[in-house]
Amino acid sequence: KQEVTQIPAALSVPEGENLVLNCSFTDSAIYNLQWFRQDPGKGLTSLLLIQSSQREQTSGRLNASLDKSSGRSTLYIAASQPGDSATYLCAVRLRSGGSNYKLTFGKGTLLTVNP
Amino acid sequence: SAVISQKPSRDICQRGTSLTIQCQVDSQVTMMFWYRQQPGQSLTLIATANQGSEATYESGFVIDKFPISRPNLTFSTLTVSNMSPEDSSIYLCSVAQGISAGELFFGEGSRLTVL
Repeated sequence: KQEVTQIPAALSVPEGENLVLNCSFTDSAIYNLQWFRQDPGKGLTSLLLIQSSQREQTSGRLNASLDKSSGRSTLYIAASQPGDSATYLCAVRLRSGGSNYKLTFGKGTLLTVNP
Repeated sequence: SAVISQKPSRDICQRGTSLTIQCQVDSQVTMMFWYRQQPGQSLTLIATANQGSEATYESGFVIDKFPISRPNLTFSTLTVSNMSPEDSSIYLCSVAQGISAGELFFGEGSRLTVL
């Protein structure tokens, strides 16, 4: 059974700092990995999608890496801003036969960026 | 990405009642899903909403408790039946899009509180 762990559970940083969020998963036979952002009481916003054949993806100040063999992904946020404050969720989709679209989520990292 | 609208965004319900959540997508999508996020927990897949046939439920979720309809490729409903306080959660509609429908997108969620 795939398990996804995110460390740290919470992180508080001053504005402008670069930071790294960690995600680990137990089953390396993944199809892809997705990072999401969730604001309080809201739905999820997709940030980055990394296919199993890729090593990293970048979007603006965000960079996500994937090391499938070690079961790890990191989300790097450069020059953090107060608007980045949210919960960041990592989710993996297993590679399996047919059309398995089930995502297994971590519990998230609550990020607070202080002005 | 698709624009996903959910109604209601939040509701307070009495124990023993049922509530139907609607999910409308602005484009036709093959794959639609319903997730639940209990307080302080991560997301768990309830079921895959299949167009024109019965939904496919994950372990621990049954049709009598969570009946789902999918009358066409842009709309689905999830009913939470005979509610108890344990059903207080955020319920999220999700669709798969992109290359090989590999990326998941989520609606804003419906926050239910059961008294």
